[in-house]
Amino acid sequence: TQLLEQSPQFLSIQEGENLTVYCNSSSVFSSLQWYRQEPGEGPVLLVTVVTGGEVKKLKRLTFQFGDARKDSSLHITAAQPGDTGLYLCAGMEYGNKLVFGAGTILRVKS
Amino acid sequence: NAGVTQTPKFQVLKTGQSMTLQCAQDMNHEYMSWYRQDPGMGLRLIHYSVGAGITDQGEVPNGYNVSRSTTEDFPLRLLSAAPSQTSVYFCASSSTGASNQPQHFGDGTRLSIL
Repeated sequence: TQLLEQSPQFLSIQEGENLTVYCNSSSVFSSLQWYRQEPGEGPVLLVTVVTGGEVKKLKRLTFQFGDARKDSSLHITAAQPGDTGLYLCAGMEYGNKLVFGAGTILRVKS
Repeated sequence: NAGVTQTPKFQVLKTGQSMTLQCAQDMNHEYMSWYRQDPGMGLRLIHYSVGAGITDQGEVPNGYNVSRSTTEDFPLRLLSAAPSQTSVYFCASSSTGASNQPQHFGDGTRLSIL
């Protein structure tokens, strides 16, 4: 059973389009992190959100943590081919265990 | 900057063989962990350590052993490899186990069990 549900699993869009990836759980997390992974490499941290309702922006990426700290979203504006990759959300359980969602494979076509 | 170094990068084993996946970090991080990544499953936590001499089980610990004799090293041992352990294994570290600390990942070990 996946503790963190990510949707969609796959996303193929044209350059310039907007997209949103969702990460949902029935559990409360002390924090939630988003990672991006490219083939043959380990995940790289994009952002950490800690406070319920928190919104963080990283250039064209906007991250939101739900008020109840059970869900999060990643919105990309005007996607570019360089955004292609696997996006992973990860929630830190109380007790120092980081649990990951299954990931969203994003492909941005030029 | 070395960061988190995993060796080997690739390995093929026969069922029943044993091996140790190595992980070393040079950032003086207290928290280290091992994950396996399978298609459609994301990363699943195998074992983790909050400091030298302290280890604990994650979500999928069966078939794997770990030890943490130094801050820098966190090896993962497969005592008797099974085809179900075919996966990509990632080691990660962070300065502490605190929820706002970023995890630094190695580039992974791709393991095939025949």
